Amino acid sequence: DAGVIQSPRHEVTEMGQEVTLRCKPISGHNSLFWYRQTMMRGLELLIYFNNNVPIDDSGMPEDRFSAKMPNASFSTLKIQPSEPRDSAVYFCASSPGTGWGETQYFGPGTRLLVL
Amino acid sequence: GNSVTQMEGPVTLSEEAFLTINCTYTATGYPSLFWYVQYPGEGLQLLLKATKADDKGSNKGFEATYRKETTSFHLEKGSVQVSDSAVYFCALSGGYGQNFVFGPGTRLSVLP
Repeated sequence: DAGVIQSPRHEVTEMGQEVTLRCKPISGHNSLFWYRQTMMRGLELLIYFNNNVPIDDSGMPEDRFSAKMPNASFSTLKIQPSEPRDSAVYFCASSPGTGWGETQYFGPGTRLLVL
Repeated sequence: GNSVTQMEGPVTLSEEAFLTINCTYTATGYPSLFWYVQYPGEGLQLLLKATKADDKGSNKGFEATYRKETTSFHLEKGSVQVSDSAVYFCALSGGYGQNFVFGPGTRLSVLP
């Protein structure tokens, strides 16, 4: 079975540009999570969806970040405009049910570098 | 809110040495506890989990016991291998509505 798929795997962009990260969760999973990983702050939960509905977006850093899940098999995380401090590895993860207390299955991540 | 404290790394061991990585948590209720492992250039993957007090999770020679009295979930392995070199994350997830929290990670390097 395919795991969580993320694209692109690497992204280099210039400050001020729009960046869109994509995620396809494991088929049949009902919860989807977006994380950001940096050396300074570790792994941070940005937003959590259940049944395509955003449940907790308290970790979204600011209005420049937005996330959508238009259907059960696709989600996007958008940064507009991007800034150098957004450089990080962004992970998408999915889990079978409500998400809480469950194992999360991570994608390979998108390495973002904003110049 | 919920939180996880994990021993600072990096940890460097010789092959076949005994490994312990300490993890303690703060949470309301009865969270599930996890250890995830991240190999270079990859996403996190579940190593083991425990869902209630006194449960022992185990996988690939690694073990951890859910200790409610000490709010701990320490990771152990009796004999590490070079291939165990990775970053290890302790994590917890509470009941519905409670956040999923990861520790800062502990980098393990095993030397031949």
